[in-house]
Amino acid sequence: RKEVEQDPGPFNVPEGATVAFNCTYSNSASQSFFWYRQDCRKEPKLLMSVYSSGNEDGRFTAQLNRASQYISLLIRDSKLSDSATYLCVVNWGSSASKIIFGSGTRLSIRP
Amino acid sequence: DVKVTQSSRYLVKRTGEKVFLECVQDMDHENMFWYRQDPGLGLRLIYFSYDVKMKEKGDIPEGYSVSREKKERFSLILESASTNQTSMYLCASKQGGQPQHFGDGTRLSIL
Repeated sequence: RKEVEQDPGPFNVPEGATVAFNCTYSNSASQSFFWYRQDCRKEPKLLMSVYSSGNEDGRFTAQLNRASQYISLLIRDSKLSDSATYLCVVNWGSSASKIIFGSGTRLSIRP
Repeated sequence: DVKVTQSSRYLVKRTGEKVFLECVQDMDHENMFWYRQDPGLGLRLIYFSYDVKMKEKGDIPEGYSVSREKKERFSLILESASTNQTSMYLCASKQGGQPQHFGDGTRLSIL
């Protein structure tokens, strides 16, 4: 089993739709979680951290389910500009080496 | 805002050359990283550094070395470039449990 697994893409949804991705992780000692977005041929950029109680930033909602070991990202009222690859990142502890990236979920928003 | 600056956006080198990729961060972060990203393979960690003059191998260190003489600068060295090192190289920095911040990336082509 991979250490971090993401929903297989690509997701192709119409503008205005709500879309959600999941990311599962295997290490129950994981401590911090993040979602990044990466545009084609660009660097990953931090979208949001994921907190235990769940958190929201505008149209984006991130949640953590420790019991089932997954995090999720929900995008409401999707825009064309949301088209990108979304990477989940799991940090297993204080060591800088224990940062695991998911392989990414590709999202395409159509007009 | 954290600023991570990579010395070149695009670089073309020849097989056998020694190649230097430079990365500078302006937030006094302890941890710095070098990744490469290839289609279908995601982000792969080459080396990271958790302090000046300290380094640790990542998942794919073969053919690479690194240097961290000053806290703000982390250099990646391709000792003798080969065509299979053609890739997108990404530098990142972070502090403690905070998320990583990435540079713009260097697209390196080895001919």
